[in-house]
Amino acid sequence: RKEVEQDPGPFNVPEGATVAFNCTYSNSASQSFFWYRQDCRKEPKLLMSVYSSGNEDGRFTAQLNRASQYISLLIRDSKLSDSATYLCVVNNNFNKFYFGSGTKLNVKP
Amino acid sequence: DAGITQSPRHKVTETGTPVTLRCHQTENHRYMYWYRQDPGHGLRLIHYSYGVKDTDKGEVSDGYSVSRSKTEDFLLTLESATSSQTSVYFCAISKVRNQPQHFGDGTRLSIL
Repeated sequence: RKEVEQDPGPFNVPEGATVAFNCTYSNSASQSFFWYRQDCRKEPKLLMSVYSSGNEDGRFTAQLNRASQYISLLIRDSKLSDSATYLCVVNNNFNKFYFGSGTKLNVKP
Repeated sequence: DAGITQSPRHKVTETGTPVTLRCHQTENHRYMYWYRQDPGHGLRLIHYSYGVKDTDKGEVSDGYSVSRSKTEDFLLTLESATSSQTSVYFCAISKVRNQPQHFGDGTRLSIL
């Protein structure tokens, strides 16, 4: 079983739409959670950390559900520039981070 | 952007040759990581370092070795490259163990 699993998509949405991604993780002892964004043929870039109480950064909201072992990312008012692959990342409090394979988002005009 | 430089950015080589990739950071971060990224697999950890001369294996370490003789440099070596090691390789750094990592631009390696 993979440490982190994501729906690969693609999610095709119109500009202005709200879209949500989920990511499940297998290790209940996982401590840190992150969302990264990766543009085609580029390096992953940190989008936001995910805190137990949930957190928001502008149009982006991240939530953690420890009981069901998943994290989510909500994007409101989608922009063309949001088109990218979104990677879920989980750390188990040692030196190892586990990356999901990513969810591809296409925002259409 | 974090000061991370990977070299070379692109390399094509033949099966059986040795290859060394370099990651150089100017942030003085303690932790450095090497990942490979392949379609359908996401990023997978090859090796990581938690200090000078302190390294450990990741989930796909077979066929790779690393060295870290200075805080700023982390080298990844393929002793005898195979076609299965064709991939995009990313270096990442972090200041504290379980805090977000920041990535270099990547190295595209093709082994023919």
